[in-house]
Amino acid sequence: DAGITQSPRHKVTETGTPVTLRCHQTENHRYMYWYRQDPGHGLRLIHYSYGVKDTDKGEVSDGYSVSRSKTEDFLLTLESATSSQTSVYFCAISETQTGYQPQHFGDGTRLSIL
Amino acid sequence: RKEVEQDPGPFNVPEGATVAFNCTYSNSASQSFFWYRQDCRKEPKLLMSVYSSGNEDGRFTAQLNRASQYISLLIRDSKLSDSATYLCVVNKGDAGGTSYGKLTFGQGTILTVHP
Repeated sequence: DAGITQSPRHKVTETGTPVTLRCHQTENHRYMYWYRQDPGHGLRLIHYSYGVKDTDKGEVSDGYSVSRSKTEDFLLTLESATSSQTSVYFCAISETQTGYQPQHFGDGTRLSIL
Repeated sequence: RKEVEQDPGPFNVPEGATVAFNCTYSNSASQSFFWYRQDCRKEPKLLMSVYSSGNEDGRFTAQLNRASQYISLLIRDSKLSDSATYLCVVNKGDAGGTSYGKLTFGQGTILTVHP
């Protein structure tokens, strides 16, 4: 399995609080992604990174920010969590952007905003 | 129209059956295609990539029809352990090559294999 660790695995917090999720990889892959998965919507891309300090928005980026100061770490921050951000969050990595390179996923973080 | 569409199922089949899943995609510039499986409350895992000529991995066969923008997955001799959700995944291809490996996921097809 790809060396991807997400932390925390589970978190319950209150509306309005800041939350940071961490994705750590040991594969030295350049590309990293954050997704959320909700019933009826499948996996949706929040933000992605194509290198250290290089990030961009995905399709559901409102209310989220990211940072990547090292190749191995990609952080997802909810500045002021809302109940609509209750979801399962997955981090993924990819070696290259081209050709037939798939993404490999971490175990996920289950986040509940009360 | 959704970028990637799958029949959500569920498909309920007996052990040993052959089952086929279909998927259509809307972006004609897409270049990479994959099938992932996802077990309940687990992360998606790559099942197989899909190549233009079609490809087979044991009991699993994937086909791609670019003209019809259609992908299929065939599972032969179903096992109880094949029970999962199968995700059709397509890259967000563009002519400029700036997709950054972004993928679009179908909502998945649920398969239950029973004894």
